[in-house]
Amino acid sequence: GNSVTQMEGPVTLSEEAFLTINCTYTATGYPSLFWYVQYPGEGLQLLLKATKADDKGSNKGFEATYRKETTSFHLEKGSVQVSDSAVYFCALSGQDTGKLIFGQGTTLQVKP
Amino acid sequence: DVKVTQSSRYLVKRTGEKVFLECVQDMDHENMFWYRQDPGLGLRLIYFSYDVKMKEKGDIPEGYSVSREKKERFSLILESASTNQTSMYLCASNGLAGENTDTQYFGPGTRLTVL
Repeated sequence: GNSVTQMEGPVTLSEEAFLTINCTYTATGYPSLFWYVQYPGEGLQLLLKATKADDKGSNKGFEATYRKETTSFHLEKGSVQVSDSAVYFCALSGQDTGKLIFGQGTTLQVKP
Repeated sequence: DVKVTQSSRYLVKRTGEKVFLECVQDMDHENMFWYRQDPGLGLRLIYFSYDVKMKEKGDIPEGYSVSREKKERFSLILESASTNQTSMYLCASNGLAGENTDTQYFGPGTRLTVL
């Protein structure tokens, strides 16, 4: 079945460091891929998405490219800020009813 | 802006109590979902509904039931709360029309503690 695997956290970085959070997936068909972010005490917010191979999603300085050949959707940001501290979830769309399949989440902590 | 609201941010209940968690969305979405979130386990789907009075089991439905009497409201029910149901509960919705049909929109979550 479809599944998503994210790199283990927590990830701790200094401000202005480069961020990569790895995400790989297993899926049949051509799912859409998502990154959601959860700030402390809040629900999940959509950060970015990509709907087909080679698409790049971007938002708030974050980027991820849908790589079908490596079944990956790694999240990157060139220079993180303390305010980026959050839990990041990679997800893919299921084949029916708008369901999403989530990875286990990666906690990012950015220190000043 | 899509808005998904949940009835409580924090709840404390006793073992054996019946617990109702309410979720309301204002975007006329057909699909609604209940997840629980636990450290290291990510989000796990409990139940979802794709129409009024329709429901389907997710990955971990045991110990839970749901009700969807109106399109905008989806309730999660713990018939007899147990300590292993202490968790963060998240509601989400998405629609079948427009360009973001596969994007789910989440409420702020309810942190439930069962003593």
